[in-house]
Parts: sequence; C-alpha cells; structure tokens
Amino acid sequence: DTEVTQTPKHLVMGMTNKKSLKCEQHMGHRAMYWYKQKAKKPPELMFVYSYEKLSINESVPSRFSPECPNSSLLNLHLHALQPEDSALYLCASSQAQGNTIYFGEGSWLTVV
Amino acid sequence: DQQVKQNSPSLSVQEGRISILNCDYTNSMFDYFLWYKKYPAEGPTFLISISSIKDKNEDGRFTVFLNKSAKHLSLHIVPSQPGDSAVYFCAAKFSGAQKLVFGQGTRLTINP
Repeated sequence: DTEVTQTPKHLVMGMTNKKSLKCEQHMGHRAMYWYKQKAKKPPELMFVYSYEKLSINESVPSRFSPECPNSSLLNLHLHALQPEDSALYLCASSQAQGNTIYFGEGSWLTVV
Repeated sequence: DQQVKQNSPSLSVQEGRISILNCDYTNSMFDYFLWYKKYPAEGPTFLISISSIKDKNEDGRFTVFLNKSAKHLSLHIVPSQPGDSAVYFCAAKFSGAQKLVFGQGTRLTINP
C-alpha cells in the first residue's frame, strides 16, 4: 500500500476552470515531487520540492503552479489548462538525499 | 537522447517460469538503479533497487543484476505469477540527486 495519498483520483475540468490536485505523505520525507504520465510513456518530472522549497522546475508552463504548504503536503494548482494536459499526475516523495522515490496512485486529469 | 533504454516493449512468459526484463543505460555516472511496477490507472510501485557498488540485489522472487561494464541491468522474477502482469519501468539516477531517468517500460504478461 502506498503511503503517498493523492486526491482526487479523477478530475474533469474545463479549459477556463481553476482546480487543485492534493498530495499528502506521512513518511517524514523532506522531498516531494510532481510527475506527469501520458499513456504508454514513462513518468516525466515536473517539479521537486526539497525542505518545502522549490528545487527543480522542469520548464513547466505557468498554468501549472505547485505549492508546498508544509513538509507533508504538496498541491498542484491548475488554471487555463489545455486538452493536451490530460494525463495521470503522480505525486511522489523521498528522503531529502534519498535514492528511493515512492509514488502515489495518481490523479487522472481530463481537460475538456 | 534516451539515457535509459528498455528495448523490449513487451514480454510474454508462462506462469511459473522465469521472467527477465532488461535495461541499458548510456551515462556511466548513474550510480543508483530502480525498478518500478505499474498497473493500469495506478502509480508506479517501487520493487527493488541496486547501487552501483553491487552487482546483485535480491528480494524474495525479485533479483536485480547490474553489469557496469556493459551498462546493463536486468530484473529476474522467479517464479512468475499472474499478478506480475504489469508494465515494468527501469530508472536510473545519480546518488543524492532528485531526478529519476526512466526507460520506456516493458509490458510483462504472465500466461496461465
């Protein structure tokens, strides 16, 4: 069972909507990640937070806005998305200098 | 430039036999390797990892072998079970770094 919990499991949003994806972990990890995965492709890194500070932004469009309110929570705010942004969004966590990254079950996003 | 390659998109194995999934990498600076298993509509589940200082790591039915000179690693599953049917991703990283580089995945099907 994953200890990285993501909500909602499924989200359908219009291109003018504002919505958020949420992620929580209780493993005491100090690094948290957002990945995006399209069908039949490997996960692609979007953002990394380390000690609640953004440490990596993989040139993600500004319509995706991450937020790390505390060491256990990670949000991804979505605004003015495009249909091609429809994908599985994965949250993950690890020790700050750790090698093993643990994924949540993902949030399926459909943009209509 | 694909730094981690899984050249077999799919593999079919009979239940009870050995499954061998292969992965090649090009960057000799990678020093930590992981295997993830992914069911449809779920996030990747961490299976097993290996550091570059080792050439073998075993966990139950799963064994990962690393051949640094060939820049090749493999995952052995024995005996294979129907529940092993999934997509398997190989991933590599620099120790202490936060970015995983994934292969394209191999779909394993275990036939009864």
